[in-house]
Amino acid sequence: QQQVKQSPQSLIVQKGGISIINCAYENTAFDYFPWYQQFPGKGPALLIAIRPDVSEKKEGRFTISFNKSAKQFSLHIMDSQPGDSATYFCAALGGSNYKLTFGKGTLLTVNP
Amino acid sequence: EAGVVQSPRYKIIEKKQPVAFWCNPISGHNTLYWYLQNLGQGPELLIRYENEEAVDDSQLPKDRFSAERLKGVDSTLKIQPAELGDSAVYLCASSYSGNTEAFFGQGTRLTVV
Repeated sequence: QQQVKQSPQSLIVQKGGISIINCAYENTAFDYFPWYQQFPGKGPALLIAIRPDVSEKKEGRFTISFNKSAKQFSLHIMDSQPGDSATYFCAALGGSNYKLTFGKGTLLTVNP
Repeated sequence: EAGVVQSPRYKIIEKKQPVAFWCNPISGHNTLYWYLQNLGQGPELLIRYENEEAVDDSQLPKDRFSAERLKGVDSTLKIQPAELGDSAVYLCASSYSGNTEAFFGQGTRLTVV
């Protein structure tokens, strides 16, 4: 059972464009939703996170939009840059064993 | 402040051989995680420690995998014997507590031949 579904699997964006990655979850006990960025050969690095009591959180060019009723959240990267090219993972934390569950990842390529 | 430190970075072993990975979490972090990441996939939890106690090891294949976190700081993950399907990246992460941000190490890439 995949508890966090992420789409698209891959995404190509031109420099300066907006990158949008979507995630959906099933477990209503989740109460913390981080996004991780991973470059090849590196571990995932926390990018931005949100809790369900807010609908949006912005940090620089990165914004999380959260829809509690739809059980969906998304990452928006404004003014995408070639240096943003990486794999992005959404995740959700919570439930009876407080386990951090990851989506399958989105490979983002930003063309110059 | 140093991040999560893992060693070795890379390991190549023959099948049926044992292998061990080491992790030093961020100072003061009580929660430590071991994750498995297959190529093109998201990390999957193997085991989570709260201090010395393994509070979630439901996904750890206990017939061949073992882990320990003596003194509630460093941790070791062991595989014995290794199988071809164990080839993956093994990630260690730590957090101040189970409901706060987790920080990952660079991982150990294991290749079983």
